Amino acid sequence: QSALTQPPSASGSLGQSVTISCTGTSSDVGGYNYVSWYQQHPGKAPKLIIYEVTKRPSGVPDRFSGSRSGNTASLTVSGLQADDEADYYCSSYAGSDKFVFGTGTKVTVL
Amino acid sequence: EVQLVESGGGLVQPGGSLRLSCAASGFIFSGDWMHWVRQVPGRELVWVSRINPGGNIRGYADSVKGRFTISRDNARATVFLEMNSLRAEDTAVYYCATEGSPAGLTPWGQGILVTVSS
Repeated sequence: QSALTQPPSASGSLGQSVTISCTGTSSDVGGYNYVSWYQQHPGKAPKLIIYEVTKRPSGVPDRFSGSRSGNTASLTVSGLQADDEADYYCSSYAGSDKFVFGTGTKVTVL
Repeated sequence: EVQLVESGGGLVQPGGSLRLSCAASGFIFSGDWMHWVRQVPGRELVWVSRINPGGNIRGYADSVKGRFTISRDNARATVFLEMNSLRAEDTAVYYCATEGSPAGLTPWGQGILVTVSS
């Protein structure tokens, strides 16, 4: 049950876009349509921003979008705002009633 | 307002036990899967366990299987995590969360710190 692989850091300028990858295997990311993404600000609980690979919960702006190709899922944040600076985690169902999170990516807004 | 409030954390010696509780309000608790997720401060999120609405289907991370038990009381809208044979590496902030969207956890509790140390 290995963690999904994310880049440790990513950055983008205000108003620009940043894309974060999340690489797993055919037993998790590539095997189920149950990839989700979370945003976590320092000292706060995580917040769901994408579920089922591409869907946004109510209240999450459409600047956040998800996609997947094979065993790699991606989160794109467009029109970067200062408040988007946070840690981002992917997660996937991994079968047999197990889930797995990614290693996390710290996004810096320049 | 949808709310999850964890309790029961604290300092425990290696080999000891602790029972975490998570009280839910503001939504139909008996209809949702519930999860526990932990995080060492400054480190990544780690999924721990989940339980189905009926309480008869449970999943565990390999690192806690056989030591931790998840349960729920729908009448009290509370989910529990019984932690036995605790190790130093179990030290973390423990969050409970609702699977409010398919395989998507929302909302989350505020988290509670468990420290395993002699």
